Amino acid sequence: SQQGEEDPQALSIQEGENATMNCSYKTSINNLQWYRQNSGRGLVHLILIRSNEREKHSGRLRVTLDTSKKSSSLLITASRAADTASYFCATDGKNSGYSTLTFGKGTMLLVSP
Amino acid sequence: SQTIHQWPATLVQPVGSPLSLECTVEGTSNPNLYWYRQAAGRGLQLLFYSVGIGQISSEVPQNLSASRPQDRQFILSSKKLLLSDSGFYLCARTDTGVGEQYFGPGTRLTVT
Repeated sequence: SQQGEEDPQALSIQEGENATMNCSYKTSINNLQWYRQNSGRGLVHLILIRSNEREKHSGRLRVTLDTSKKSSSLLITASRAADTASYFCATDGKNSGYSTLTFGKGTMLLVSP
Repeated sequence: SQTIHQWPATLVQPVGSPLSLECTVEGTSNPNLYWYRQAAGRGLQLLFYSVGIGQISSEVPQNLSASRPQDRQFILSSKKLLLSDSGFYLCARTDTGVGEQYFGPGTRLTVT
């Protein structure tokens, strides 16, 4: 079953606007990760936030994590057409020392020039 | 660089035929390796992972199998493909421990 569920399923914005995607999950986690996938390509890791962190920044990306609500958000500021892609959250559960990720279905982001 | 190679890039196979997809990793020793499948419009489903040579864990019962004959080689196989095996297959690695995963370019499999 899917652990992470992204919301919205699709998002269409203009260049320069901010894009916010949300992710909810069900069980305890070690960390939560966000990935980007361009059409027909492999996934690219964007950012990892650990369960004891609340906010993390990387360039134009800002990720928040609320473990009490079991939710995370990804904010892309000043979006560009090149940001057009699908974005997935993935939760890394509390396993015995190795990473097994459970992915959501993703948010498809379209940034129009 | 820690590159992941997958081949073939695309594959069209008839139902009932065998399958062998290969993943090789450069630049890292003793990585954890993973096989995922992505159906159209959906997220990734973890199929197998391996923490070392000959060590395979299966997440989903199915007609697929995986093997790790060498430290940097991970193979996904099937003896007889089903229509439902169609999808985008991704290999990933992570260094030992918990952390981000790095993905290969994927193989698009169409079973006809």
